[in-house]
Amino acid sequence: DSGVTQTPKHLITATGQRVTLRCSPRSGDLSVYWYQQSLDQGLQFLIQYYNGEERAKGNILERFSAQQFPDLHSELNLSSLELGDSALYFCASSPHSGGARNEQFFGPGTRLTVL
Amino acid sequence: GQQLNQSPQSMFIQEGEDVSMNCTSSSIFNTWLWYKQDPGEGPVLLIALYKAGELTSNGRLTAQFGITRKDSFLNISASIPSDVGIYFCAGQVRDSGNTPLVFGKGTRLSVIA
Repeated sequence: DSGVTQTPKHLITATGQRVTLRCSPRSGDLSVYWYQQSLDQGLQFLIQYYNGEERAKGNILERFSAQQFPDLHSELNLSSLELGDSALYFCASSPHSGGARNEQFFGPGTRLTVL
Repeated sequence: GQQLNQSPQSMFIQEGEDVSMNCTSSSIFNTWLWYKQDPGEGPVLLIALYKAGELTSNGRLTAQFGITRKDSFLNISASIPSDVGIYFCAGQVRDSGNTPLVFGKGTRLSVIA
């Protein structure tokens, strides 16, 4: 158990809908990262937040957005969903925003299926 | 952008055999991490490397940070069935800013009992 929690575990929805994925980082970690993993693909970095502020952005679609709240939990919002958005979405956390010994620890993921 | 090439893509080995996999980059990295992912689960950190030439072990796993800082290797000795999974390397340029981890596409390991 990495200490990172994600809800829900599974999510099934229809095209055009909007969903929210939730992540709670490990106790004491200030950074949260979101990744997308499609079938048989590697992990694609989406976005990073550190202590409530956006710190780095990857290949995140404009239909997707995220935020980190004062209690450090984070939410990833996916809107106008398309079939191709079906994937595993992982959240990871680390103690700092960058720098030395800043390993990322992953949550169990949310499997999103868009029908 | 930065790219990681991880090889082999997949391996089938007999239980008890040793395994080697590697990751190469077109850029210099200051951090190399190795993760294992079981089906439907999140990646689990196995080994972290921070210094060129560094050799670090975690049980039967040994990883090395290449001297050129553009590659890393993971070895598993005396494989067992629970070693089955996908192994990912990840690299990061460690600087004062924020550079996300770049992941390889993974090596899928199958162990035949």
